[in-house]
Amino acid sequence: DSGVTQTPKHLITATGQRVTLRCSPRSGDLSVYWYQQSLDQGLQFLIQYYNGEERAKGNILERFSAQQFPDLHSELNLSSLELGDSALYFCASSGRTGYRETQYFGPGTRLLVL
Amino acid sequence: ELKVEQNPLFLSMQEGKNYTIYCNYSTTSDRLYWYRQDPGKSLESLFVLLSNGAVKQEGRLMASLDTKARLSTLHITAAVHDLSATYFCAVDILNTDKLIFGTGTRLQVFP
Repeated sequence: DSGVTQTPKHLITATGQRVTLRCSPRSGDLSVYWYQQSLDQGLQFLIQYYNGEERAKGNILERFSAQQFPDLHSELNLSSLELGDSALYFCASSGRTGYRETQYFGPGTRLLVL
Repeated sequence: ELKVEQNPLFLSMQEGKNYTIYCNYSTTSDRLYWYRQDPGKSLESLFVLLSNGAVKQEGRLMASLDTKARLSTLHITAAVHDLSATYFCAVDILNTDKLIFGTGTRLQVFP
């Protein structure tokens, strides 16, 4: 158990809908990262927040957005969902110092868009 | 753009045998991670290699890093069934926290 929690575990929804994924980092960690894992794209970095501020952006679609709240939990919002958004979404946390530390991954949220 | 390639993509091996997984990356980095993922599960951190020539061992797994060749290896010694999983290497881009993952190597160990 990495100490990173994610909810929900599974999501099934329809195209065009909007969902929110939630992540709580390990106690004391300031950075939260979001990754998407799919069969065709592999594991892709989406976005990073550090202590409430966006720090780095990867291959995140404009339909997707994220934020980190004052209690350091983070939410990833996916809107206008398409079939191709079906994937496993991981949250990771690190960074008691905020820079280049091992990232610890949560259990993931499996999203299926029908 | 940083690319991280792993070889092989799939490896089926008999228990007791040895094998090496290779991870090549395309740009300068001084930090490389190895993760393990069991089917349907999350990623578990195995090793962090912090400098050229770094070598780390845990049980039957040994990882090394050659930053000049931009190559890391994960060596499996006397494989056992419990090692069956997908192994990912990941490289971080200098001066950022962004991790770029390799394609993954799916390892299957059979009796």
